[in-house]
Parts: sequence; C-alpha cells; structure tokens
Amino acid sequence: KQEVTQIPAALSVPEGENLVLNCSFTDSAIYNLQWFRQDPGKGLTSLLLIQSSQREQTSGRLNASLDKSSGRSTLYIAASQPGDSATYLCAVQGGSEKLVFGKGTKLTVNP
Amino acid sequence: EPEVTQTPSHQVTQMGQEVILRCVPISNHLYFYWYRQILGQKVEFLVSFYNNEISEKSEIFDDQFSVERPDGSNFTLKIRSTKLEDSAMYFCASSEGGGLGYTFGSGTRLTVV
Repeated sequence: KQEVTQIPAALSVPEGENLVLNCSFTDSAIYNLQWFRQDPGKGLTSLLLIQSSQREQTSGRLNASLDKSSGRSTLYIAASQPGDSATYLCAVQGGSEKLVFGKGTKLTVNP
Repeated sequence: EPEVTQTPSHQVTQMGQEVILRCVPISNHLYFYWYRQILGQKVEFLVSFYNNEISEKSEIFDDQFSVERPDGSNFTLKIRSTKLEDSAMYFCASSEGGGLGYTFGSGTRLTVV
C-alpha cells in the first residue's frame, strides 16, 4: 500500500529565503507525482506535475525534482514571498487512476 | 483556464438526511473523482468514474455513497443517510487520464449536525 510522507510538517521562514519541501513515497512504481497548493479552507491548486520518466519540472520560482528509485521528491521555492504562505501537498499516482496524498507542509513566509 | 466547478460551497445538514454534492468537470476530461478531507487530515480518495461506471472505490465508499453522471456535464456524489463523521471538505476532480494530472474543484464543505 502506497504511503506518502512530507517533511517538515510546518516551516516558517523570512521573506526572500530559498526553501525546500520534501516528499517521500514507499512504492516507486508510480506514473507521476503532483505538487499542489492549498490555502486555508480552499481547494487544491496544481503547481507542478512530474511524469515518472522525468527528473524535474519548473514553473517560475518553483522547481520540483523526482528520484523515483529512491522514492523522493523535493519542491524548491526560490526567493519566498508572503503570498507563498499555504499548505503544500504532494500526491502520487500509482497503478490506478487514484492519487495518494501526503499530509502536507504548512509554509509561513514572514514579511 | 478550464476549471472544475463545485456547488454548493458550503452545506449544513442534519444527521440522517440525504445530501447531493454537485460538480461540473472539465469538458474534455474522461475520468472523474471524488476525494474528501476531514479537518486536519490527509486528502483521501473516495471513488473514480470512467465510461459511465465506477472504476475504483475506496473502503470509505460504502453503500451510503453513490455517484452519478446524470447528463453530459454534471457529476454528483450522493450520501444517503449522513453521519456526523461525514463532515469534511469534499473535492471533485477530473483528468484526461494516462497520468496527465488532475484538476481539482474548490470543494464543498459539508457539516453534519
């Protein structure tokens, strides 16, 4: 059974800092990994999708990497801003269409 | 950019009542899903729907739950007799399939009192 773990559970940084969020998964047989952002009480906004054959994806200040063999992904946020404050969720899609989510990392960027 | 639309955004219902949560997936997507998130917990898979039938469901999706695609655009989740523990945020999602990623709606917050 696929398990997804995200470390740290919470992170507080000053504005402008570069930061890394970690995601690990137990079964490396995945189709893809997707990073989402969730604001309090709101829906899930897709940030980056990495296919199993890819090593990384970039969008603006965000860069996500995938090491399928070791069951790890990282989300790198450059030059963090207060507007980046949210919970970041990692989810993997394995042998079916369903996603398995981690519990998330709650990020606070202080002005 | 295409969106998944969910209605209502909030619903309060009494225990034992039936509720229907509604979703309009992205029009060219083939797979439709319901997920839920109990406050403070992980987002959990409930059910996937493809080609007008359930393709996969979790242990959570028992006989109290059902899904339907009544027309070419709507996708609904029905909870027949709500329990207090059904209180959660329910998310609808859709995808093209083939590992091309999901688009989620903004959710319906269901509160059972």
